[in-house]
Amino acid sequence: QVQLQESGPGLVKPSQTLSLTCTVSGGSISGANSYWNWIRQPAGKGLEWIGRIHTSGSTIYNPSLKSRVTISLDTSKNQFSLNLSSVTAADTAVYYCARGPVSQIGFWGQGTLVTVAS
Amino acid sequence: QSVLTQPPSVSAAPGQKVTISCSGSSSNIGNNYVSWYQQLPGTAPKLLIYENIKRPSGIPDRFSGSKSGTSATLGITGLQTGDEADYYCGTWDSSLSAGIFGGGTKLTVL
Repeated sequence: QVQLQESGPGLVKPSQTLSLTCTVSGGSISGANSYWNWIRQPAGKGLEWIGRIHTSGSTIYNPSLKSRVTISLDTSKNQFSLNLSSVTAADTAVYYCARGPVSQIGFWGQGTLVTVAS
Repeated sequence: QSVLTQPPSVSAAPGQKVTISCSGSSSNIGNNYVSWYQQLPGTAPKLLIYENIKRPSGIPDRFSGSKSGTSATLGITGLQTGDEADYYCGTWDSSLSAGIFGGGTKLTVL
């Protein structure tokens, strides 16, 4: 059973870079033909897809965030990461890592709250 | 404002049936698979339906999905108080080249 766990700072200052890591257990991040996603949810609001990386290393990002987002794989640690630059209060949200195409995201992390504040 | 349109809320009595709609366009629902997710308060979303109509192992057959043209529907029969949650549809948008979700529907079991 694949499990995902987000980790990273819970508080980030405005204009700085938000960095989160998702650790995958119960399966190899590079062994399956899989998509690894980052999705966020501001308090009381809906889900927003941030982007994904394929096991091949190819990435696709939400056009609304593309200029600020980088998603990368670290196969040696069975992890993938999110960097979101130049953050503002609007980036405050619960951030989820998840596996699968958007049509079938079967595995989700528990989510981690990131607050952008000085 | 979401690319996929869902009603903000629906409600029904225990034991009854409810449907939740998800309306899109030819660039998303019309030409891509739809999934549905249940999010209980304070928890991560859970996959209920994938590829329009399929249920993952462990999801009861009280939950069903359908798709017609540029709209999709989630059906829930035999409503239970434990079904009270937010429900989201999701799909790929070929024009945006991005994953998208509906705005979510809050289900209340009266």
